Amino acid sequence: GAGVSQSPRYKVAKRGQDVALRCDPISGHVSLFWYQQALGQGPEFLTYFQNEAQLDKSGLPSDRFFAERPEGSVSTLKIQRTQQEDSAVYLCASSLSGEGRRLYNEQFFGPGTRLTVL
Amino acid sequence: GQQLNQSPQSMFIQEGEDVSMNCTSSSIFNTWLWYKQDPGEGPVLLIALYKAGELTSNGRLTAQFGITRKDSFLNISASIPSDVGIYFCAGQDNNAGNMLTFGGGTRLMVKP
Repeated sequence: GAGVSQSPRYKVAKRGQDVALRCDPISGHVSLFWYQQALGQGPEFLTYFQNEAQLDKSGLPSDRFFAERPEGSVSTLKIQRTQQEDSAVYLCASSLSGEGRRLYNEQFFGPGTRLTVL
Repeated sequence: GQQLNQSPQSMFIQEGEDVSMNCTSSSIFNTWLWYKQDPGEGPVLLIALYKAGELTSNGRLTAQFGITRKDSFLNISASIPSDVGIYFCAGQDNNAGNMLTFGGGTRLMVKP
């Protein structure tokens, strides 16, 4: 389909393991966002890209979290030395524009990757 | 991290009843949005509000952007079983990167 896709859909990691989560945004979308959703809570902002530039990473909880979007399309969220508190659903969203033009700001979400750290 | 205050946390209603949920914030937003999330899926946008005082409808859904820009409500009329899910409000500051700040969600359960 033409929506945002994420892989893997489920990931189980042992504590201390590194993981990489992939997001394929809608083709042509300029902006890409990562959110973390803990069980029973609303999503929380992690980081934001406009094309390949990471414009805001203020929501990343620690320096173990790293995101990249080297060619301005696919993005990867990497978590090093995973901890149990990293267990959550990681959502990716993309929008057509990031220029404040409201009609193009709608964020379309992927299905998320459920990460479980044992 | 910051989240909006959303209430109620859950509702269990009879099919055909009307539903109301609301969201408040200590910060001003220039856009308010309402999303629905089904199990195993990402949030899907239901209604977007861009102006203080704005009242917008989408089928059986009606939402309003509060005058103070710090609150919003969502009404669902004549609920049906497929309305079941988790509803989230979200505030957006278009002058600060467009990231969304979400409420904690309202879990809606509908009894046929």
